[in-house]
Amino acid sequence: GAVVSQHPSWVICKSGTSVKIECRSLDFQATTMFWYRQFPKQSLMLMATSNEGSKATYEQGVEKDKFLINHASLTLSTLTVTSAHPEDSSFYICTGRPPGANVLTFGAGSRLTVL
Amino acid sequence: LAKTTQPISMDSYEGQEVNITCSHNNIATNDYITWYQQFPSQGPRFIIQGYKTKVTNEVASLFIPADRKSSTLSLPRVSLSDTAVYYCLVGDGGTSYGKLTFGQGTILTVHP
Repeated sequence: GAVVSQHPSWVICKSGTSVKIECRSLDFQATTMFWYRQFPKQSLMLMATSNEGSKATYEQGVEKDKFLINHASLTLSTLTVTSAHPEDSSFYICTGRPPGANVLTFGAGSRLTVL
Repeated sequence: LAKTTQPISMDSYEGQEVNITCSHNNIATNDYITWYQQFPSQGPRFIIQGYKTKVTNEVASLFIPADRKSSTLSLPRVSLSDTAVYYCLVGDGGTSYGKLTFGQGTILTVHP
């Protein structure tokens, strides 16, 4: 089946630094990928839609200058959390939909802890 | 995007059948109903999808009444490893399909 790989699976950083999370579709090409965020004991919240070759679209309340998304190829989308603060600590999950499928394939997630 | 409502939590015992019902009163004609399973610190994993009537695969069954305003995920003979959060989602499978609204999900706890 379709596989989406995320890296790193967990990361700890100091407040004020930037962290990049990679999301790769290993066996399908994705013109669109989606980034979700999940706080402890809460559901997934859509942050943004990553579009290959064009700007990402962000959900209301998500700062585009803080959460930089780049989708430079059909198999790679990256999320960079800039100037991270402790409140950005969360579980970030990306997902994509293989062509012709009505089912999303999620990455394993990346847990960010900002000290 | 259709909103879904599920029970917040359910408890069961090993070997029992578990049925989780999801309400989606505003489901659109083109919407599919999809269930995902999520373990702690992992991304959601696809379980089953349907449009109408009944769908069965190797892990679950999905029952959808004629009006499609609800659906029931049935897990036969659950084991401890089925303890997870289960999400019901509806979407049309179009290019915006990943732009889904996750509800609270149902925390299923399976006891020995």
